Amino acid sequence: DIQMTQSPSSLSASVGDRVTITCRASQSINSYLNWYQQKPGKAPKLLIYAASSLQSGVPSRFSGSGSGTDFTLTISSLQPEDFATYYCQQTYSTPDMYSFGQGTKLEIK
Amino acid sequence: QLQLQESGPGLVKPSETLSLTCTVSGGSISGSSYYWGWIRQPPGKGLEWIGNIYYTESTYYNPSLKSRVTISIDTSKKQFSLKLSSVTAADTAVYYCARVRIIIIPSIDYWGQGVLVTVSS
Repeated sequence: DIQMTQSPSSLSASVGDRVTITCRASQSINSYLNWYQQKPGKAPKLLIYAASSLQSGVPSRFSGSGSGTDFTLTISSLQPEDFATYYCQQTYSTPDMYSFGQGTKLEIK
Repeated sequence: QLQLQESGPGLVKPSETLSLTCTVSGGSISGSSYYWGWIRQPPGKGLEWIGNIYYTESTYYNPSLKSRVTISIDTSKKQFSLKLSSVTAADTAVYYCARVRIIIIPSIDYWGQGVLVTVSS
């Protein structure tokens, strides 16, 4: 099984801040990495796919980087609507095991 | 605009079978570029992959749930379904159906709104 570990688990930041969330895979997953945003009571939303490709309609302040085992999601200038929980997901494995990270909760400072 | 909608009982008794259906509208369920999947989220916790199905009826199940899970598809009704047997309180969760786009890499580009299923007597 491929384990995905996110850090930090929670983060406090202010509007306008630059924020980085990290995701580490237990083995190399090339660029088979997605990032999702989830707001309370809502389904997750795809932000970034293939480690660095921006999903259509997602603001350009979101960016992703990395390959192999280490990945980052960066929000260049936090907006009020960005306070949410973020999950990474690997889809390198067979389709029965598309595992998620444990999530990073981004809160207002 | 593609939409997915889960339906099914919100309360299931322990040891019984949880059954949910996802209805797809606004697009095809038979496309070769997509899987159709189920993901769940226990209250206050993270996301867990349950499994997925291709329009050819090929299925893939999380090994931790494999003995209890069945996912099926009915392309004529544009629906796919989840059955989880012998449920316990640990199966209480919001259950999401989703489309997995398998272009470039697999990624979930559409989600249902989710349905809370509580396991309790």
